[in-house]
Amino acid sequence: NAGVTQTPKFQVLKTGQSMTLQCAQDMNHNSMYWYRQDPGMGLRLIYYSASEGTTDKGEVPNGYNVSRLNKREFSLRLESAAPSQTSVYFCASSIQGSRQPQHFGDGTRLSIL
Amino acid sequence: AQSVTQPDIHITVSEGASLELRCNYSYGATPYLFWYVQSPGQGLQLLLKYFSGDTLVQGIKGFEAEFKRSQSSFNLRKPSVHWSDAAEYFCAVGSGGGADGLTFGKGTHLIIQP
Repeated sequence: NAGVTQTPKFQVLKTGQSMTLQCAQDMNHNSMYWYRQDPGMGLRLIYYSASEGTTDKGEVPNGYNVSRLNKREFSLRLESAAPSQTSVYFCASSIQGSRQPQHFGDGTRLSIL
Repeated sequence: AQSVTQPDIHITVSEGASLELRCNYSYGATPYLFWYVQSPGQGLQLLLKYFSGDTLVQGIKGFEAEFKRSQSSFNLRKPSVHWSDAAEYFCAVGSGGGADGLTFGKGTHLIIQP
């Protein structure tokens, strides 16, 4: 079982470049999430999608956009990358909402120079 | 707003010794509580969860956690640690009715001494 798959695993960008991080889940989950992990900060929610067709801002949405392409896929876009967005990005999914356990991908390590 | 505090940034334990990782939460209603483990370079794996009922919950890999409402705590325990338990541990709280993600603590880094 693949679970939650994130691509790419690593990426280096220059300041001002754009990029889309991809996430797909094969568990038929309704809710999907994007987090960023920074040293000493734990994980912080960027955006979430409660169900197909809906997206909402989390704690740290500035500089990001998302698209819930279908029930399986939830992408995160950096329109103009900044060094402050250097981080490890995790996608997660749950059956429905934050009452249910979330299943995480292995992360995308993004460096912005 | 909900919050989670993990007071210990690093903990060092000898192999075979017992372990307790602390977690305190702030949430107005009944919390949905989780412990996750992260090995280096990996994603997060769910260890256990608490929704309601018995306040002592069992998880995978021999871990357990106890929910204490009066202390707003959800501490993780293991009777005897193994070298493979070395990892980062995160406590998280979910809201009762929403789909707005989990609020995580900053994590506790567990080091196992031989």
